[in-house]
Parts: sequence; C-alpha cells; structure tokens
Amino acid sequence: AQSVTQLGSHVSVSEGALVLLRCNYSSSVPPYLFWYVQYPNQGLQLLLKYTSAATLVKGINGFEAEFKKSETSFHLTKPSAHMSDAAEYFCASSGGSYIPTFGRGTSLIVHP
Amino acid sequence: DGGITQSPKYLFRKEGQNVTLSCEQNLNHDAMYWYRQDPGQGLRLIYYSQIVNDFQKGDIAEGYSVSREKKESFPLTVTSAQKNPTAFYLCASSIEGNRRPQHFGDGTRLSIL
Repeated sequence: AQSVTQLGSHVSVSEGALVLLRCNYSSSVPPYLFWYVQYPNQGLQLLLKYTSAATLVKGINGFEAEFKKSETSFHLTKPSAHMSDAAEYFCASSGGSYIPTFGRGTSLIVHP
Repeated sequence: DGGITQSPKYLFRKEGQNVTLSCEQNLNHDAMYWYRQDPGQGLRLIYYSQIVNDFQKGDIAEGYSVSREKKESFPLTVTSAQKNPTAFYLCASSIEGNRRPQHFGDGTRLSIL
C-alpha cells in the first residue's frame, strides 16, 4: 500500500524567500513521484516528476525536488518565492498500481 | 492544443435530481479518472477507466455512476443517492500503464440549491 504525507496544510513565506514544501511517501516498490500545482478554481498542473533517473529533478517555474530514498522524502523547493507562486501544491506517488496516491495538499501563501 | 475539457464550470443541483458532468479529452489517452476535491481532504478517486466500455470503482463511488462509450469521453452522473454532492469535481486522463503523470481538466463546481 502507498501513502503520501504532506507536512503542513499551509506554508507562509515572504516574497523572495526560500520555498520548502515537504512530502514523505511510503511505498512497497520503488515509486514514481510527482508534484502538481493548483490555482484557484482550476485543475492540477504537473510541476515535475521523479522516475528513478536523477535524484534532483527540475520542474517548471523554477521549482525543483530531491528524491531521498533513505528519508523517503521528495520535498519541493524554490530559491526565491514570487507572488504568482501562491497556490495549492500536491505531492503524489505512483508505485505498483498506475493509480496515484495524492497527499492532502499544502497551500502556499506568499506575502509581499 | 490537446487537453481535457470539463463542462459546465459551475452546476447547481436541486434535491432529488441527477446531474451529469461532462469530460472530454483529445489527448488520445486510454485511461480516464474522476476525482472529488473537498477543502483539506485532497483528491479522492470516484471512478476510473482504463479502456472503452470498462470502468472500476474508486474509493468513494457510492452515489455516482459513469460510462465510457468512447475513448475521448467519460461523463460522471451524480445521483440523488449522493447525499453530500457539493464539491469540486476533477477529471483526469493518462497514457495507459503504470506510473504515468495525469493531465487534469479545469474542474466543475457542483452546488446544491
């Protein structure tokens, strides 16, 4: 069975500050991992994905995530937050089943 | 451009009424999914379909029904048996096979009158 835990339902940062959104997974098989972003009243858009190649994955809009097997983590980071980054972020894991498991989401708030 | 179209964007249902949410994709994806999104609960899988004329229940299928008569279409009916239908509904699709990222529509927000 798979599970995905996103630590913190809300994360607040100042514009220009580091963004760190945490995701831990549990999977009985090597997982594929995804981060999605959702803007209000819209669907989810794929930010980046880990597919067992490089452990540091770069995505769109300056985001990146690092797969750490020993910590079962796939945290999302961005060096400098922009107001337009304010959104809901979802981590997802896909293991032996092609149905992904989603975390509950983290709302990123960016203060001017 | 290829993508997923969900309609309508907003939908209102009266008590005891069935309503159908439309989902159409032109990505030539085999697999399609319906999710329900409630505040603070993430995405919960309602139904999914891997191929035409076949679909499976997800985690919260009670009170919902689907059909998959065409590869590009996967409509969701919210029946009167669904007692708490107010939510944001998302349709997604993916290439068939394990570990594929999903592509999402822009959602339909359903409210009760």
